[in-house]
Amino acid sequence: AQTVTQSQPEMSVQEAETVTLSCTYDTSESDYYLFWYKQPPSRQMILVIRQEAYKQQNATENRFSVNFQKAAKSFSLKISDSQLGDAAMYFCAYRSAMSSNYKLTFGKGTLLTVNP
Amino acid sequence: DSGVTQTPKHLITATGQRVTLRCSPRSGDLSVYWYQQSLDQGLQFLIQYYNGEERAKGNILERFSAQQFPDLHSELNLSSLELGDSALYFCASSVGGDKGEKLFFGSGTQLSVL
Repeated sequence: AQTVTQSQPEMSVQEAETVTLSCTYDTSESDYYLFWYKQPPSRQMILVIRQEAYKQQNATENRFSVNFQKAAKSFSLKISDSQLGDAAMYFCAYRSAMSSNYKLTFGKGTLLTVNP
Repeated sequence: DSGVTQTPKHLITATGQRVTLRCSPRSGDLSVYWYQQSLDQGLQFLIQYYNGEERAKGNILERFSAQQFPDLHSELNLSSLELGDSALYFCASSVGGDKGEKLFFGSGTQLSVL
């Protein structure tokens, strides 16, 4: 079974600075998808960024980028020019592309605080 | 706004009772997913439906059941409720159930079992 680990329960960053959230995962599969979701106080889960395992190029979405290290099974999220609206719980998630199961396996989350 | 509608937003009930949570997916989405979020278990996948048929099952208890109707809305039924069932229940939808596609989440139903 796949597992996703987020080793940082909480992180903080100054507004306009850069922060990196860590995520590692365990799988025996070679084809899969990785996601970062954001959950602000409104509780809604919002997709931040997606990475396909067979693509070596790291995904980017505006101020959000990932560092995907397939061999190390690491998938960190970098937020540049942090804004107050980035404050939220961030979840890393894994989804197999090979099995018949469509479930997303989530990490426990990292609570990000943005200081003005 | 994700376009996924969940009702009710909050639900308070007693142990042993039965409740129904409702989800309307985004227009055009055929897949519906149910997730449970609790402090101790985190986010857990419960079940997925695609165009009315069950497609995948996760850690869903036998006391829980779900279905997707012809108009594609879905209901999650929780019965014989226990204190430990208190959680935030999310519904998500996607277009066709492709594993790489984006899921759109609703705002959740907060269930409190007293």
